[in-house]
Amino acid sequence: DARVTQTPRHKVTEMGQEVTMRCQPILGHNTVFWYRQTMMQGLELLAYFRNRAPLDDSGMPKDRFSAEMPDATLATLKIQPSEPRDSAVYFCASGLRLAGYQETQYFGPGTRLLVL
Amino acid sequence: SQQGEEDPQALSIQEGENATMNCSYKTSINNLQWYRQNSGRGLVHLILIRSNEREKHSGRLRVTLDTSKKSSSLLITASRAADTASYFCATALAGYSTLTFGKGTMLLVSP
Repeated sequence: DARVTQTPRHKVTEMGQEVTMRCQPILGHNTVFWYRQTMMQGLELLAYFRNRAPLDDSGMPKDRFSAEMPDATLATLKIQPSEPRDSAVYFCASGLRLAGYQETQYFGPGTRLLVL
Repeated sequence: SQQGEEDPQALSIQEGENATMNCSYKTSINNLQWYRQNSGRGLVHLILIRSNEREKHSGRLRVTLDTSKKSSSLLITASRAADTASYFCATALAGYSTLTFGKGTMLLVSP
């Protein structure tokens, strides 16, 4: 049963600290997405990759967020320095892009981040 | 503004009743998808309907799509307490590679 995995599941840190979240997409999927979910804003797309290449990161605050995909089995999202407003649940999702549009996305369990 | 907007924001029903949730969107789509999110979990894909389809079934789920009205509905028949969750519609816009999610409908099914 293929699943997207994310680590850590929970993270509590202090303002100013670096936070790194990791995601292992489903093998064979060619797109990876990072989302942030809050009560106020709902589910926001932060960045996504296709075939490991970053295609759009316009949803991320560029000065503090960075997303990379060092290999096909690992995607990372870093926040440096973290701020209390970054507190949210961060989801990774993977999927297949076929014929020019997005098919089903498979979500990981999320990383619940609290920045004090 | 959100491409997909669900209605109602919250719905409370008894077990055995049907639950209907609606989604409206603004621009042309390739497909529309419904996802479920249980509290504290990731989203789970339920069903995908393409722009050239009008209705689709999966178990107790029935999805309709009206592209002329730019709307979709998700019907859960004979609901169960385990159906308690948030339900999101997501649109795959023509020419884009991403999904745009609405803010969801919170469904509470009481025993």
